[in-house]
Amino acid sequence: NAGVMQNPRHLVRRRGQEARLRCSPMKGHSHVYWYRQLPEEGLKFMVYLQKENIIDESGMPKERFSAEFPKEGPSILRIQQVVRGDSAAYFCASSPQGAGANVLTFGAGSRLTVL
Amino acid sequence: AQSVTQLGSHVSVSEGALVLLRCNYSSSVPPYLFWYVQYPNQGLQLLLKYTSAATLVKGINGFEAEFKKSETSFHLTKPSAHMSDAAEYFCAVSVGNFGNEKLTFGTGTRLTIIP
Repeated sequence: NAGVMQNPRHLVRRRGQEARLRCSPMKGHSHVYWYRQLPEEGLKFMVYLQKENIIDESGMPKERFSAEFPKEGPSILRIQQVVRGDSAAYFCASSPQGAGANVLTFGAGSRLTVL
Repeated sequence: AQSVTQLGSHVSVSEGALVLLRCNYSSSVPPYLFWYVQYPNQGLQLLLKYTSAATLVKGINGFEAEFKKSETSFHLTKPSAHMSDAAEYFCAVSVGNFGNEKLTFGTGTRLTIIP
């Protein structure tokens, strides 16, 4: 039973390019969460999604960032026109429906470096 | 809104000595509290969680934490440190209601074990 799978593990982009980060939740999990960890900081909540539905995006920057969790396939976090300040580790977590934070499972993260 | 404060961004202890990592929380409703561990270049692994049952919570790898409402604290302890405990530790809080699975993390404490 594979855990939460994130790819790519490492991504390098130049300023102005787009970054796409993918997350496949654990088998049987229908809820996905994205968190961002800036250097020397704790994780900050970005967005919470169910299949085809954004539940809470209160932590997402208003511009350039978007997230989706389609009916088929992984959840995608998309960052357009990246800037150096976007360099961070982006973690995905998943949980079963209705379970709450106390059964979150985290992936190993995607580390974005913007040159 | 809830928040978490971790006192001490870096803690060093000798192998075999007591480990004490401090966490204080703020929450307007009874919280769920968590400790996660992060090894280099890996995702977060749940050590233990408090979900309003017993106030002394035992976790994996010999760690435990005690919920003290009067002190709004949830400090993490281990009687005898092992070299493999070297990692970053994050305290987190959630209000735990269905539909509010967001975790609020502290800034982390990096634990170094001295041989």
